[in-house]
Amino acid sequence: DAGITQSPRYKITETGRQVTLMCHQTWSHSYMFWYRQDLGHGLRLIYYSAAADITDKGEVPDGYVVSRSKTENFPLTLESATRSQTSVYFCASSESDRVVEKLFFGSGTQLSVL
Amino acid sequence: LAKTTQPISMDSYEGQEVNITCSHNNIATNDYITWYQQFPSQGPRFIIQGYKTKVTNEVASLFIPADRKSSTLSLPRVSLSDTAVYYCLVPSSDMLTFGGGTRLMVKP
Repeated sequence: DAGITQSPRYKITETGRQVTLMCHQTWSHSYMFWYRQDLGHGLRLIYYSAAADITDKGEVPDGYVVSRSKTENFPLTLESATRSQTSVYFCASSESDRVVEKLFFGSGTQLSVL
Repeated sequence: LAKTTQPISMDSYEGQEVNITCSHNNIATNDYITWYQQFPSQGPRFIIQGYKTKVTNEVASLFIPADRKSSTLSLPRVSLSDTAVYYCLVPSSDMLTFGGGTRLMVKP
């Protein structure tokens, strides 16, 4: 089905391990984003990408790495997970070539770091 | 940066009209204002977007005054299923930064 999909839906890991969260969109949208949402709080931007091979930091990039070798994929890697990275992670894409337009969100990945 | 400010929470009853106001004093000339709705355990979804005056769709209306430093999302005749968090989004430089949102509770 067309859309934006995230995997896994749930992930439990341990402190210090590397974790990669996947995001795939089928619309060929230029812009893609990663947000985190802590319990009871709003969304904070981690990283975003304007196109393949172009990425930039958001509000809270420390401890995360992204790549965008293909337009449709935008994986997020926690190089050495910490308990403070326990959160729900949402990937989004924008239908416009300009940032500012409508965002489409995935269903999220709930990550627990023990 | 175009920071936004919204009330943290609001309560309403079924059938009432709900108005949620967002202030964005530093909005840029080219910025659009977009509102999203988020249910628990789901990603936000687009509700409405506008630039000035009034925009209406099948879900809501958006009122934007001439100075564009605020906007008001209007939900007509809310139902229990409208209980959600509502976010006002204004572009900040080249990023899309969400504020804390407004938690709307609709009661029977």
